Amino acid sequence: GDSVTQMEGPVTLSEEAFLTINCTYTATGYPSLFWYVQYPGEGLQLLLKATKADDKGSNKGFEATYRKETTSFHLEKGSVQVSDSAVYFCALRGSSASKIIFGSGTRLSIRP
Amino acid sequence: DTGVSQNPRHKITKRGQNVTFRCDPISEHNRLYWYRQTLGQGPEFLTYFQNEAQLEKSRLLSDRFSAERPKGSFSTLEIQRTEQGDSAMYLCASSLESADEQFFGPGTRLTVL
Repeated sequence: GDSVTQMEGPVTLSEEAFLTINCTYTATGYPSLFWYVQYPGEGLQLLLKATKADDKGSNKGFEATYRKETTSFHLEKGSVQVSDSAVYFCALRGSSASKIIFGSGTRLSIRP
Repeated sequence: DTGVSQNPRHKITKRGQNVTFRCDPISEHNRLYWYRQTLGQGPEFLTYFQNEAQLEKSRLLSDRFSAERPKGSFSTLEIQRTEQGDSAMYLCASSLESADEQFFGPGTRLTVL
């Protein structure tokens, strides 16, 4: 069945460092891909999405590109801030499905 | 606030008791989803409704679990004869039909003693 594998955490970086969180997926057809973020004490929020191959999703300085050839959707940010500290989930929705399948999450901590 | 709301936010119960959670979706959304999230894991799909019809149920949803959405608006998730393994965060989400984005509520944290 469909699945998502993402980089295990926790990840600790200094402010202004470059961030990459790896995500790969297994799915039939053409899934939609997502990154969700969960800030401390808050609910899950959609960070960005991409719905077809080579699409780039972006929001709040974060980017991820839908790479069908490598079945990947890595999250990147050029300069992280303390306020980016959160748990990040890579996820997919199959082309004929309604449910979202999530990875296990990566906890990111940014040091001032 | 017009987001997804869930009640209660926390529930502590003893093993063997029944519990019921409520979810109020965004008003114009006709799809409503339930997920379960255990510590250190991503959310796992339980079931979803389109209007009042329950269209899919995960194998995770044992016969002790039942969900309803009687008028196509709010939904309830009941767990009968709770077990310690039911301790988790129960998340509700809603969306427009066929929309990619699902909007999540804050969750109900269940602790079974």
